[in-house]
Amino acid sequence: QVHLQESGPRLVKPSGTLSLTCAVSSGPFSSTYWWTWVRQPPGKGLEWIGEIHHSGSTTYSPSLESRVTISLDKSKKQFSLSLSSLTVADTAVYYCARRRPVPEELDYWGQGTLVTVSS
Amino acid sequence: KFMLTQPHSVSESPGKTVTISCTGSSGSIASNYVQWYQQRPGSAPTTVIREDKHRASGVPDRFSASVDSSSNSASLTISGLQTEDEADYYCQSYDGRIVIFGGGTKLTVL
Repeated sequence: QVHLQESGPRLVKPSGTLSLTCAVSSGPFSSTYWWTWVRQPPGKGLEWIGEIHHSGSTTYSPSLESRVTISLDKSKKQFSLSLSSLTVADTAVYYCARRRPVPEELDYWGQGTLVTVSS
Repeated sequence: KFMLTQPHSVSESPGKTVTISCTGSSGSIASNYVQWYQQRPGSAPTTVIREDKHRASGVPDRFSASVDSSSNSASLTISGLQTEDEADYYCQSYDGRIVIFGGGTKLTVL
């Protein structure tokens, strides 16, 4: 059973940068998977932000690409999200998840953390 | 840009059957697998269906799903509705290197 846990500041200021980390426990940090970030604004649907492969290759949502960086620390079994130039529209629950290739299923999720953008 | 469209909400009575659709905007929805996730308030999504039609471990056989190439859509069917099925349901697929979610459907069991 794989466990993912998000951590980071819960309140960030407009124009600032959001930084979250996802710790992966219970099992090897396998080269098979993609490590993914998804967000959900209050009362709205799921939005895929981007992901990173064990190799370091990244893919980002075209709508967020200019503001997103996802990185990986294999030694600590964790990956991180950085989202810059924040506005109130970035207020959301941020989830980290594991995606397995074909069928591209997000099979394990963190519990999610609410990040509020406010002055 | 490939998109998945779901009805915003559906409702049905306990014991009845409901079907939630997920329609692809272009191309072929059958080109990549479709997953279905259930999300209850305050919780992370969990898989109910993977690889178009296969139930995740522990999901009752009241849940079934299919993909129809002719209508470029996927469907999730829940029979014998129970109050515990009330939740948001999301379809998900993949396009190139992008993960795509449908907008989600709120299922109300009246």
